[in-house]
Amino acid sequence: EPEVTQTPSHQVTQMGQEVILRCVPISNHLYFYWYRQILGQKVEFLVSFYNNEISEKSEIFDDQFSVERPDGSNFTLKIRSTKLEDSAMYFCASSEPLRDEQFFGPGTRLTVL
Amino acid sequence: GESVGLHLPTLSVQEGDNSIINCAYSNSASDYFIWYKQESGKGPQFIIDIRSNMDKRQGQRVTVLLNKTVKHLSLQIAATQPGDSAVYFCAEAYGGSQGNLIFGKGTKLSVKP
Repeated sequence: EPEVTQTPSHQVTQMGQEVILRCVPISNHLYFYWYRQILGQKVEFLVSFYNNEISEKSEIFDDQFSVERPDGSNFTLKIRSTKLEDSAMYFCASSEPLRDEQFFGPGTRLTVL
Repeated sequence: GESVGLHLPTLSVQEGDNSIINCAYSNSASDYFIWYKQESGKGPQFIIDIRSNMDKRQGQRVTVLLNKTVKHLSLQIAATQPGDSAVYFCAEAYGGSQGNLIFGKGTKLSVKP
């Protein structure tokens, strides 16, 4: 069964450093998403992406965040200057066209020291 | 405001019993609802969804009920198994389009053998 994959599984970085989280969505999906989950809290939407542009973003997704689909398979989330409060699990998700069912990846645990 | 909440943060059931997990939502414009299961260290896994033009939908061992009058969503798991132990999230989306999912806090289901 096709699945969303994410790398790395765990990323440790120093405050102020840039990080890039990578995702490979399911191959025939056209809609891509990033969510985050701070430890012990609910999953929060960050951004959705379709047709090479952002469809929707939350208040969390400020100027420090960016997304990119650099090629036909990868979908990346970049945090330019990480803060301690960026520590969380970051989940990538994708969905087929015209469907709302979103398939989630296993997540990347980001730890900012 | 827009929020999805859960009545019971934890639920403990005996193996073989039926489980009912409840969720309240506050956004009357939401028209799509999903239940996700999240096991420790993994991403949310889609269980079942329902649109606002339905009040009941059944899957394999699971049933989702939607009561739009009181803005209530429930997940019923028949013959609960130890493998069902996880945190269950309800999520809502509005507009009927590809977009962000608003997640509830989650209910932890523990199945006793």
